[in-house]
Amino acid sequence: NAGVMQNPRHLVRRRGQEARLRCSPMKGHSHVYWYRQLPEEGLKFMVYLQKENIIDESGMPKERFSAEFPKEGPSILRIQQVVRGDSAAYFCASSPSSGGTEAFFGQGTRLTVV
Amino acid sequence: KQEVTQIPAALSVPEGENLVLNCSFTDSAIYNLQWFRQDPGKGLTSLLLIQSSQREQTSGRLNASLDKSSGRSTLYIAASQPGDSATYLCAGGTGGGNKLTFGTGTQLKVEL
Repeated sequence: NAGVMQNPRHLVRRRGQEARLRCSPMKGHSHVYWYRQLPEEGLKFMVYLQKENIIDESGMPKERFSAEFPKEGPSILRIQQVVRGDSAAYFCASSPSSGGTEAFFGQGTRLTVV
Repeated sequence: KQEVTQIPAALSVPEGENLVLNCSFTDSAIYNLQWFRQDPGKGLTSLLLIQSSQREQTSGRLNASLDKSSGRSTLYIAASQPGDSATYLCAGGTGGGNKLTFGTGTQLKVEL
């Protein structure tokens, strides 16, 4: 049973470009969470998705950021018109259900905006 | 709003020593408390998960306790080894699911 898979592991984008980060949850997991770790800061919750639904997006910046988890395929975190302040490690986690089950994290995507 | 604090921020101990990492949280209405380790440039590895109804969990040399009434959790590492060197993160689960609020971590270094 493969773990949570994130790709790419490293992504470099110029200011103004779009970044698309992908996350495939563990097999059997239908709940996906995205977190961001800014340099020298702790991990912050961004968004919680279930298949085809956004459950909680209270941690998402209001502009340029969006997330989806389609019926088929990985979850996508999309950042439009990236700025240098978006440079961070973005982690995806998955769980089989809600209600306090163990969350498993991927290796993260390290986004660098130049 | 849940806030999680970890003390100390950094810790250096000689190999073989037993040690305790502390985690405190402000909102006692948590679903669970999870401890992770993070190696430099890597992802998070789940160590222990304590449900709100539990008091402690053990895995090998690790033991984690949870006291909801005082808003505290501790991670006890027995007989520390250089391979234990990493950043240890605690996170409280809230919001009816696994929305985790993380502490800023304790950076542990175990020296030979």
